[in-house]
Amino acid sequence: EAGVTQSPRYAVLQEGQAVSFWCDPISGHDTLYWYQQPRDQGPQLLVYFRDEAVIDNSQLPSDRFSAVRPKGTNSTLKIQSAKQGDTATYLCASSFNRNTGQLYFGEGSKLTVL
Amino acid sequence: QQQVRQSPQSLTVWEGETAILNCSYENSAFDYFPWYQQFPGEGPALLISILSVSNKKEDGRFTIFFNKREKKLSLHIADSQPGDSATYFCAASAPTGGNNKLTFGQGTVLSVIP
Repeated sequence: EAGVTQSPRYAVLQEGQAVSFWCDPISGHDTLYWYQQPRDQGPQLLVYFRDEAVIDNSQLPSDRFSAVRPKGTNSTLKIQSAKQGDTATYLCASSFNRNTGQLYFGEGSKLTVL
Repeated sequence: QQQVRQSPQSLTVWEGETAILNCSYENSAFDYFPWYQQFPGEGPALLISILSVSNKKEDGRFTIFFNKREKKLSLHIADSQPGDSATYFCAASAPTGGNNKLTFGQGTVLSVIP
């Protein structure tokens, strides 16, 4: 069974540029999460979906970040007008919708904003 | 506000020793505590987890000890191996309608010297 797939693995931008990250979750997983992991820190939840619906986006910097999951399968996280403070690894994870379900993480997309 | 705290930030042990990683939390509603292991360049992967109704959980060389009254838990890695060298994250979630919204600590970097 294929795991969570993310692309691109790496991105380097100048401040003010935009970038999109793509995630393909494990087949059959209805819940999808986007986490931001700054260097040497723990993952911090940005947004998560159940099917195509946003369940919680309270930690998503909505002025520059957006995330969609239009068909309840793949998802895209977009950063517009990137800032140096956005430098981090962006992790996608998926799980079944149940209590204490295991999260399966992708390898992440490492973003550097110069 | 850091709801999940880990100590120490880094830990070095000799091969064969027991490594002890500590975690504390603030939210009394947390009832599920997974530990995730992360190697460089990879996403975190579930190692072992415990529910707040238990005070101990074992899985091979890995044991979680949980103290609900003090809001503390620890991960013990017995007979540490060089392959255990990784970053370990303590995480927590509350039972909110079936959603597995995890809050992660800052991580402990474990180095096992042969």
